[in-house]
Amino acid sequence: GQNIDQPTEMTATEGAIVQINCTYQTSGFNGLFWYQQHAGEAPTFLSYNVLDGLEEKGRFSSFLSRSKGYSYLLLKELQMKDSASYLCALNRDDKIIFGKGTRLHILP
Amino acid sequence: KAGVTQTPRYLIKTRGQQVTLSCSPISGHRSVSWYQQTPGQGLQFLFEYFSETQRNKGNFPGRFSGRQFSNSRSEMNVSTLELGDSALYLCASSLDPDRGRDGYTFGSGTRLTVV
Repeated sequence: GQNIDQPTEMTATEGAIVQINCTYQTSGFNGLFWYQQHAGEAPTFLSYNVLDGLEEKGRFSSFLSRSKGYSYLLLKELQMKDSASYLCALNRDDKIIFGKGTRLHILP
Repeated sequence: KAGVTQTPRYLIKTRGQQVTLSCSPISGHRSVSWYQQTPGQGLQFLFEYFSETQRNKGNFPGRFSGRQFSNSRSEMNVSTLELGDSALYLCASSLDPDRGRDGYTFGSGTRLTVV
């Protein structure tokens, strides 16, 4: 199977750092995506990890460890507009499989 | 360039009816996938089309079907609607048939309510 597990909800404070974890069990995949989805809107692409390690893009970084079946999305200098759901997804040969997402609440 | 366009945005149907949803991908994108999103289950894969051929199908009953036209526009159809079909239906397109580093670009979705 390819179960993807993420925390359902998280809360953090404006200006702080938050790490959203994603664990998975799968027989194989090409890469791992992170998407952001604001309420009532379409998911938008954040990052894609193929190799193990950290990929940084501005305030957002994503990490992948294939041997540990683990990824995380790191958000720095949190802003109120970062309040959204964050979806971890595996890119397999046949399709992209999404986790159920983590709803992130930002407090002022 | 124009994004992924889904029509209609909102739809209310009665149990037993059928519905057709439309998706126009980004110009040049030949891969189109459909997902159902509900609060309890998240995003669940319905099917994927590439160059008018269904490449992959998710675990949904045969009431859910789709097709892709030569201009890459896609439609999905749900027959004999059930209350549980109420969901946000998202279409996503990709330039790369294997999705690749750019992944998907999603449309804004069609919110279907079955009463």
